[in-house]
Amino acid sequence: QVQLQESGPGLVKPSQTLSLTCTVSGGSISSGGYYWSWIRQHPGKGLEWIGYIYYSGSTYYNPSLKSRVTISVDTSKNQFSLKLSSVTAADTAVYYCARVDTAMVIFAFDIWGQGTMVTVSS
Amino acid sequence: EIVLTQSPGTLSLSPGERATLSCRASQSVSSSYLAWYQQKPGQAPRLLIYGASSRATGIPDRFSGSGSGTDFTLTISRLEPEDFAVYYCQQYGSSLYSFGQGTKLEIK
Repeated sequence: QVQLQESGPGLVKPSQTLSLTCTVSGGSISSGGYYWSWIRQHPGKGLEWIGYIYYSGSTYYNPSLKSRVTISVDTSKNQFSLKLSSVTAADTAVYYCARVDTAMVIFAFDIWGQGTMVTVSS
Repeated sequence: EIVLTQSPGTLSLSPGERATLSCRASQSVSSSYLAWYQQKPGQAPRLLIYGASSRATGIPDRFSGSGSGTDFTLTISRLEPEDFAVYYCQQYGSSLYSFGQGTKLEIK
């Protein structure tokens, strides 16, 4: 049973870089056939896709965030990470990591982490 | 970028009734790449439907999806108390994802 768990600071100062890590358990990131993704949800609002990475390192980002986002993978630790630079209060949100099963041709987010709240404030 | 518009914004129904939720895309979406999620307060979203009409593992058969092109529908045949939640559609195209703004299904 694959599980995802987000970790990182819950408070980030404006203009700084938000950094989160998602640890994958019960399966290997290196096995292929999956996109490893980040999604966020502003308080009381809908879902916003941030981007995803394949185990090989290929990435795709939401065009609206692309200039500030970096997603990376560490296969040795079975983790992938999100960095969002130059944050403002508008980046305050719950951040989820999630998996896309491309091997089963699902192309949807079938497994999610529990989410972590990140507040941008001085 | 494909924009998904969900309607209605809020749907008020009673347990036992049938719910029909709509998702309209700004341009054609491959049926293989249209999904629906359920989200309850304080929880992560849960995948219900993928490929427009395939139920995810463990999803009851009262949930069904249909549609093609730019118009897709999620139907809950007979509402159970645990079905009252927010529902999102999602599409994948040109290596990018987007979500609809959500439909809140509330108890009447």
